[in-house]
Amino acid sequence: AQTVTQSQPEMSVQEAETVTLSCTYDTSESDYYLFWYKQPPSRQMILVIRQEAYKQQNATENRFSVNFQKAAKSFSLKISDSQLGDAAMYFCAYRDNAGNMLTFGGGTRLMVKP
Amino acid sequence: DGGITQSPKYLFRKEGQNVTLSCEQNLNHDAMYWYRQDPGQGLRLIYYSQIVNDFQKGDIAEGYSVSREKKESFPLTVTSAQKNPTAFYLCASSTWMERLSGTEAFFGQGTRLTVV
Repeated sequence: AQTVTQSQPEMSVQEAETVTLSCTYDTSESDYYLFWYKQPPSRQMILVIRQEAYKQQNATENRFSVNFQKAAKSFSLKISDSQLGDAAMYFCAYRDNAGNMLTFGGGTRLMVKP
Repeated sequence: DGGITQSPKYLFRKEGQNVTLSCEQNLNHDAMYWYRQDPGQGLRLIYYSQIVNDFQKGDIAEGYSVSREKKESFPLTVTSAQKNPTAFYLCASSTWMERLSGTEAFFGQGTRLTVV
C-alpha cells in the first residue's frame, strides 16, 4: 500500500516570507499523480497544485510551486509571499493510476504571522 | 452548477444505532470516496468505488458499509459495530485517471457525526 508522510505537524511563517512544506511518499508505481490540498477552518478541501509523475518540470500556480524529486519520492510545496489567508491545514496526497486510490498524509498546520 | 453535496451537515446518533450519510455528485465522475477525519488528523480512507455496483475497502472499513447503485450516489452507513464513530466525514469524487487530463478529487462540505 502507498503511504504519504508529512513530517512537519506545524509550521510558522512571517507574512510576505517564503515557507516550504515537506512531503514524502512510498510507491512502487511509475505513473501517478501528487497533489497539495488546503483545508481552511471551514474544512472545505481546496486543491492548491498537482504534479504528474511523468513530467519532470515542477508545477507552479501563482505563489505556489513544488519541488518534485521522483527518485527521492519527495514532493515539497513552496509558498512565496505568504499571506494571512494562507493559514490552514495543508495535505499532501497521492493517487495511483492502477486503482485510483487517493491517499493523504497527516497534514501540516501552517500559521502566518502578521 | 456541478458539484458534490453531502447531507446532513451535522448528525447526531445514539449509541447502538445505524446512521447513513448522503453523498451525491452531478459531475459525471466515475470514482467516489469516503474519508474520515479526526481532530487535528489527516484523512483516512474508509471505502472507495470506481464504478457502479463495485466498491473496495480502504484502510478503516470496519464498522462501515457503502453501496453504489447509481453513478451519482455513494451513501455511507455507520453501523453500531463502529466503536468510535464521532468524527468529520468527507466524500469526494473524481474522474478516471487519464494521462492527458488526470484530475484531482472534488470534495463535499463534510458531515460532522456525533454520538450522544
